[in-house]
Amino acid sequence: DGGITQSPKYLFRKEGQNVTLSCEQNLNHDAMYWYRQDPGQGLRLIYYSQIVNDFQKGDIAEGYSVSREKKESFPLTVTSAQKNPTAFYLCASSMRVISNQPQHFGDGTRLSIL
Amino acid sequence: GNSVTQMEGPVTLSEEAFLTINCTYTATGYPSLFWYVQYPGEGLQLLLKATKADDKGSNKGFEATYRKETTSFHLEKGSVQVSDSAVYFCALSDNAGNMLTFGGGTRLMVKP
Repeated sequence: DGGITQSPKYLFRKEGQNVTLSCEQNLNHDAMYWYRQDPGQGLRLIYYSQIVNDFQKGDIAEGYSVSREKKESFPLTVTSAQKNPTAFYLCASSMRVISNQPQHFGDGTRLSIL
Repeated sequence: GNSVTQMEGPVTLSEEAFLTINCTYTATGYPSLFWYVQYPGEGLQLLLKATKADDKGSNKGFEATYRKETTSFHLEKGSVQVSDSAVYFCALSDNAGNMLTFGGGTRLMVKP
């Protein structure tokens, strides 16, 4: 079955540590996205990528970094510069950047501070 | 900029009750509109979509009609089940790309 796989499901970060969240898709989608979800709130866009080796900042990119070396993979690094990283992180993908194409989501990674 | 406003939850209903979750939006041009559902501890799943005015999206007994005159996309279901308990997100995608703007989500709790 095609889909989006996020790992790990739960992740703990120590102070001053960088952590990387994995996102892999086998849907052959061109576009991929990272969102942050805080309790009781909607989703906010961190970064997105329309093609390999290209990515753009979203609304809350500070303290985060990404790479897109392969079409299937779009890892997110939460750096020590992100002072409030505790949240639920969702990865998504879509066929292309066209407004009527729905985004497909993974099951998320919950990041907590130790 | 674009924005989506949903009714605040939680919405608590008894099984077989009628459901309406209100959603209104602000956007330039002709956005596409979506409803997503999130079950506890999971990601979002596309529930339905509409891409132009007067389109009706439907899936699993849920319906929503794209009303451009009232800039609304209200979600309805005639008879809810306990298994419908989840958080529902209204979202729009504008013509500049496929960036989704989400509402804050509405939690639905259905009691037997």
